[in-house]
Order: sequence, then C-alpha cells, then structure tokens
Amino acid sequence: NAGVMQNPRHLVRRRGQEARLRCSPMKGHSHVYWYRQLPEEGLKFMVYLQKENIIDESGMPKERFSAEFPKEGPSILRIQQVVRGDSAAYFCASSPRTPGEQYFGPGTRLTVT
Amino acid sequence: DQQVKQNSPSLSVQEGRISILNCDYTNSMFDYFLWYKKYPAEGPTFLISISSIKDKNEDGRFTVFLNKSAKHLSLHIVPSQPGDSAVYFCAASATGGAQKLVFGQGTRLTINP
Repeated sequence: NAGVMQNPRHLVRRRGQEARLRCSPMKGHSHVYWYRQLPEEGLKFMVYLQKENIIDESGMPKERFSAEFPKEGPSILRIQQVVRGDSAAYFCASSPRTPGEQYFGPGTRLTVT
Repeated sequence: DQQVKQNSPSLSVQEGRISILNCDYTNSMFDYFLWYKKYPAEGPTFLISISSIKDKNEDGRFTVFLNKSAKHLSLHIVPSQPGDSAVYFCAASATGGAQKLVFGQGTRLTINP
C-alpha cells in the first residue's frame, strides 16, 4: 500500500505566480488534510476535505488560497499570486476514519522568489 | 495562542537510556493525542496515539502517558537508539470537531552513542 504522495517535492515560483500542490491519499483513505510548516515552527492546520466536500477550512488564509478534493484525482491546494511569506513546507495527510491517526506525505517545499 | 506546547526545544540522551519527551495542552476539548517523528526534508511519521479514555498506551519501545488532570502527556522511548534522533511533535485533536491536529513546536532529540 503506497503512502501519501505529494508532488512536486520542490516548487519555485516568482511573486505573483500561481502554485498548485497535489496530494494523492493512501488507498482507502477518504479524509485529506493540508498543513503548512513555516521555518522553525510546528505544523499548522489549513483545511480538511472529504471527496468533493470542504469540511473545515478554518486554517486557510481568506484570500488567494483554495483547496479541492474532486471525485476523481488528487487533492489540490492552490495559491494564487504568491508572496514571499507563502514560502514554507506544505504537507498533506490522509486518514481512513475520524478520529484516527493521520499519515503524512513527504511535503512540497515552496520557495517564492 | 499556543494550545499545545513542547517546552523543551532539544533533548540529548545516551544510547540505551530512556528518552522522555513532554507535552502540555490547554484546551480541555482535546481528547485524542498523537506523537509524530520527523526527519529533515521528510513528512512526519506517525508513532503512537492515545485516546482520553486511557492513561497509557504502549507499542514496542514507545509508551505514551496521559495525565488529563494536569493536561500533560509524555512519550517514553526505551531503550533509545541512534535512529531515534529526530524532531518529535505531539499533536492533539477534539473529536467533536473536524479532527484537525494542533501541533506543538517540536523537540529535537539527539541520541549519543
């Protein structure tokens, strides 16, 4: 059973460009979470999705950030018009049930130049 | 507002001895707790969890203790091995909510030969 897959692993964007981060959950997992880790900090929750539904987006910045988990295909975290402060590691996690342990992918390291 | 706190940024332990990592929380709604281990440039790896109906959970060399009255949990690793050197995060969630995890800042554990 493959683990949580994230791509790309590294992404460099210039200020003002768009960043699209993809996450494929573990097989059989229908719960997907996105977290962000800024340098020297712990992980911070961003959004929780199930197939075709956003369940909790309380950790998402109000503007420029959006997430989806379509019926087919990976979950996507989209950041429009990136700024330097968006530079961070973005981790996706999946879980087969709630409550339950969440299994994390390797992360996407976004660098905004 | 740091709801989950790991007050020791780092800990150094001799190989073969016991490592004890501590975590405090403030939100009394938290009822599910997890420990993760993280290597640089990788995603967090799930280690062990505990529900608030228990005060201890054991898995091999890892034991988690929960003291609800003190809002404190700890992870014991015995015996400590060089491969245990990593950053350890504790995390908490409230099952009445969306199961989003609230992470501590992490403790860097170094096992000395």
